Amino acid sequence: EAGVTQSPTHLIKTRGQQATLRCSPISGHTSVYWYQQALGLGLQFLLWYDEGEERNRGNFPPRFSGRQFPNYSSELNVNALELEDSALYLCASSPDRWEGYTFGSGTRLTVV
Amino acid sequence: AQKVTQAQTEISVVEKEDVTLDCVYETRDTTYYLFWYKQPPSGELVFLIRRNSFDEQNEISGRYSWNFQKSTSSFNFTITASQVVDSAVYFCALRSSGTYKYIFGTGTRLKVLA
Repeated sequence: EAGVTQSPTHLIKTRGQQATLRCSPISGHTSVYWYQQALGLGLQFLLWYDEGEERNRGNFPPRFSGRQFPNYSSELNVNALELEDSALYLCASSPDRWEGYTFGSGTRLTVV
Repeated sequence: AQKVTQAQTEISVVEKEDVTLDCVYETRDTTYYLFWYKQPPSGELVFLIRRNSFDEQNEISGRYSWNFQKSTSSFNFTITASQVVDSAVYFCALRSSGTYKYIFGTGTRLKVLA
C-alpha cells in the first residue's frame, strides 16, 4: 500500500512568488492535514480538509490556502511568499479521528 | 489551553545506553489522546504509539516502552539498548476528543553515538 506522497520534495522560490505543494493521501483516507515545520518552531497545524471541505485552519494568514480534490488529494498554496515561510511542509492523512496520522515525507520550501 | 512540553531539546547517548524522552502535557479535557512520532533525517514522521486518557497501562514494544501517568500529566518514552538507527527527532503530541488538530511538542533530538 502506497503511503502519503508529497511533491515536490524540494522547492525554491523567491520572495513574493507563489508556491504550490501537493499531497496524495493513503487510499481510503478522506482527511488530509497540513503542517508547517519551521526551524525552531516545531510542528504548527495549518489546514485540515475532509470530504473536499476545509474543516479547520490554524493561526496562519490568508496567504496560506488550499483545496481538496474529489480523489481526496490536496494542494497547499502559499501566496506572496516571505522569507519566514521557508520550512518543511508536512501532509498527513487519516481514515478517521481515532487513528494516528500517517505523514508524508514533506516538501522543503526555501524562499530566497 | 492545551500544551505539550518536551523540555529536552537534544540528548546524546552512546549506543546500548537506555534513554528516556520526557513529555508533559496540559489539557482540561477528560478524553484525549497522546502520541509519539519519530522523525528521522528523511523528514517523514513515523507513528509510534497512541494512548487514550482512560488507559494508563504502560506499554512495551520491543526496545520501546511508554510510561503514561495522568497524575503528573506525563507520557514518557524510553528506548532500551539504544542503537544508532534510533537517532532522530521525537515528537510527543496531544489531541482532544472531538477535534482533529494535534498539538505537538517542539521535539527532542536524539543522537545515538556508535
